[in-house]
Amino acid sequence: DIVMTQDTLPNPVPSGESASITCQSSKSLLHSNGKTYLNWYLQRPGQSPQLLIYWMSTRESGVSDRFSGSGSGTDFTLKISSVEAEDVGVYYCQQFLEYPSTFGAGTKLELK
Amino acid sequence: EVQLVESGGGLVQPGRSMKLSCAASGFTFSSFYMAWVRRPPTKGLEWVASISTGGGTAYYRDSVKGRFTISRDNAKSTLYLQMDSLRSEDTATYYCARFYPYYFDYWGQGVMVTVSS
Repeated sequence: DIVMTQDTLPNPVPSGESASITCQSSKSLLHSNGKTYLNWYLQRPGQSPQLLIYWMSTRESGVSDRFSGSGSGTDFTLKISSVEAEDVGVYYCQQFLEYPSTFGAGTKLELK
Repeated sequence: EVQLVESGGGLVQPGRSMKLSCAASGFTFSSFYMAWVRRPPTKGLEWVASISTGGGTAYYRDSVKGRFTISRDNAKSTLYLQMDSLRSEDTATYYCARFYPYYFDYWGQGVMVTVSS
């Protein structure tokens, strides 16, 4: 199985500051079609997960442009510019290159 | 508006069975792969199972193979998860999710399953 590893954040993050969440995969997620099958989700407290970024860098419709995704085949970053109160929660990366699809352990974002 | 509403959770003893349902609306259910994802207490998200549009192909994580069965009724726009021989490690909030290649774009609100004697 592909292992997804997420770092912790130096919490809490001051409101208005930027935050970067990193994720590494044990295998390149670059498909032969040129797409990288790495997704980012946010699970706010008491809510179900919400898709933020798919295919490494495509923002889901309706998601704030403060969220951006980047990376290579195995190293990925979710950047949140100007963190706000509504950004608090747990962020997960997920690979969908192959089954079983696997998630990272999650990175908790707390606001100062 | 896309809606996914899970039901059927609760407390169940180890070794017993439980069936979850997910009622879908707001989209053409038969056109989408669907999946179940769970979140055990104090842990992260785990993909559990996925099913093709017609129901003929299913995928499972190793720890549930042979015990869980994912199915769907396209006429009723409903997804199911039959869980047999339940174990304490199956305790989790279970989410129904719509699959769009290759991500989950809509999620239900979740249903809690507690396996305990």
